This record gives sequence, structure tokens and C-alpha cells, in this order.
Amino acid sequence: SAVISQKPSRDICQRGTSLTIQCQVDSQVTMMFWYRQQPGQSLTLIATANQGSEATYESGFVIDKFPISRPNLTFSTLTVSNMSPEDSSIYLCSVEDPKGGMEQFFGPGTRLTVL
Amino acid sequence: DAKTTQPTSMDCAEGRAANLPCNHSTISGNEYVYWYRQIHSQGPQYIIHGLKNNETNEMASLIITEDRKSSTLILPHATLRDTAVYYCISAGFQKLVFGTGTRLLVSP
Repeated sequence: SAVISQKPSRDICQRGTSLTIQCQVDSQVTMMFWYRQQPGQSLTLIATANQGSEATYESGFVIDKFPISRPNLTFSTLTVSNMSPEDSSIYLCSVEDPKGGMEQFFGPGTRLTVL
Repeated sequence: DAKTTQPTSMDCAEGRAANLPCNHSTISGNEYVYWYRQIHSQGPQYIIHGLKNNETNEMASLIITEDRKSSTLILPHATLRDTAVYYCISAGFQKLVFGTGTRLLVSP
């Protein structure tokens, strides 16, 4: 398995500001993923972040709004830029199984509230 | 869009088996059936996955129909801690698309 931590666990931000969320995993992994879970909703994949390449964004998500860094095999950041109240969500990162299995392991999430 | 359909909610008595159905009639030949669950305020937790054959692990059993168009997740002896939203996902390697899931309530 993989142990994933996220920082911050929660934050309250003002409209128009940006927040960077960190995701740290205890094993080296090639694939990391960022998801958004809006209040009362299911998870939506934002992007896939592979080390050494640009992140791949899903339809409806753009790099200018959600820039992602992946500097090494155990760490990634997601920035939520120019925030509005509609960005209030839980943001989760996940990783592939470091041992090559089929499952993904999820972090605890970052609960973001934008006022 | 999610490619699976699940009941919105189900109830189960503690100690009884919980059988959660899922339809994935458009599943491709190379796609797996995954089950995850999300306990309130936590990240999703992997439960089990399968391709064609039935699978069992320490958490659950997965029964996949022969035509692969539907499956059932079985929690053999549900406990109160199994109360969660259960997601059935049909996907290729690693590209998970979450649907709305089934909210399972296990009661004493």
C-alpha cells in the first residue's frame, strides 16, 4: 500500500486568491492523480501528473486554473488559482500502487472553502 | 460520464450480508470492474477489482456475470463501520471515473 498525506487539511480563502495543495506519498510512484469532490457530489478527475512530463488535464479543467507540479516521484502540488466560491470542494490526490497493482490509494483530502 | 449505474441507497442489518449491485452494460473487453468505498470525510478506499472471474479478498467478494454487464459486491458480514458510499467503476488501467455510488447504511 501507499501512505499519502496532504497539506493543508482544510483552508478558508478569499475570492480571487490562490491556494497550493501539497501531496506527499511514502513510496516512489510514476502516476499521481488529482480529484475534486464538490459538496454532496462524487469525485471528478482533474488531471494526471506523471513525473517528468506535463500534467494531462481532463475535459473542463485547464492548466491556468489548476496548475500542477510534479518535481519528483513522491510529491505533487495542485494550485487552485483565482478562486471563486464555486471552487469550494474537497481536493484529493491519489497514486497508483507502488508495487504495480491495480488499485489507487487516496489521500485524506483538502477541504477548501472560498468566501 | 460514469459508465455504471447503481442504486442510490441500500440498508443492511449488522451481521448480515450486504449485496451491492452494479450495471456496466457498456464495459469494454479490456476494462476492469473496480469497487471503492468512501467513509464520511475520508478519501476513497480500494475494495476489490475483477476482469472476468469472481474475486474474493479479506474485505469482500466480487461476482461478475458471464456477459460482464453487471456485478455484485458482497460484504459477507456487514458491520457498522461498513456504512459508506460504495462506488462501482468500469475502467481501463488507472483511469477511474466515479459515478454517484450507493450509500450503504448498516444498522444495529
